[in-house]
Amino acid sequence: NAGVTQTPKFRILKIGQSMTLQCTQDMNHNYMYWYRQDPGMGLKLIYYSVGAGITDKGEVPNGYNVSRSTTEDFPLRLELAAPSQTSVYFCASSYSGSTDTQYFGPGTRLTVL
Amino acid sequence: DQQVKQNSPSLSVQEGRISILNCDYTNSMFDYFLWYKKYPAEGPTFLISISSIKDKNEDGRFTVFLNKSAKHLSLHIVPSQPGDSAVYFCAASALRANFNKFYFGSGTKLNVKP
Repeated sequence: NAGVTQTPKFRILKIGQSMTLQCTQDMNHNYMYWYRQDPGMGLKLIYYSVGAGITDKGEVPNGYNVSRSTTEDFPLRLELAAPSQTSVYFCASSYSGSTDTQYFGPGTRLTVL
Repeated sequence: DQQVKQNSPSLSVQEGRISILNCDYTNSMFDYFLWYKKYPAEGPTFLISISSIKDKNEDGRFTVFLNKSAKHLSLHIVPSQPGDSAVYFCAASALRANFNKFYFGSGTKLNVKP
């Protein structure tokens, strides 16, 4: 059981480039989340999804887009990378959005130069 | 503006002794709290939770205490083991019927010395 997987593990982007961070879960969870963690800060919610076809903004959505075409996949898109998006990105999933445990992927470390 | 704060970036404890990790929050609507543990190059993993109807929850060596009047929670690890060395995050949420947005602290790095 792989849980939540994320690719790539590391990436360096130039300003203005675009990329997609991939996230897949095999637990048949309805809810999926994208967080970012900046140095010395807590995790902040970027976007979340309550099921296939349904997404909503979190605390810090600017500069990102998401889609949820299947239960398993929840990719995060950066269209015009900026240095402020240098961060570690975590994807997570849970069965429900209530008190169910969120299971996290190992993270993607992104640097924008 | 951080609604959940962990003011100690790091903590060093001798093996076998108690580790106490602290967390403060500002939003009085928060009624559900979690602790996560994170090893390097891995994602956070759930450790223990507590709802506001309780002031203590225990799971083996881990106990979480909640002081609602002080808006403070703490995680006690007794006895501490070298394998407990990790970054610990607290998180808080105001429970809703369909979705809880969690607010995370910045983490405390615990080092348990053999």
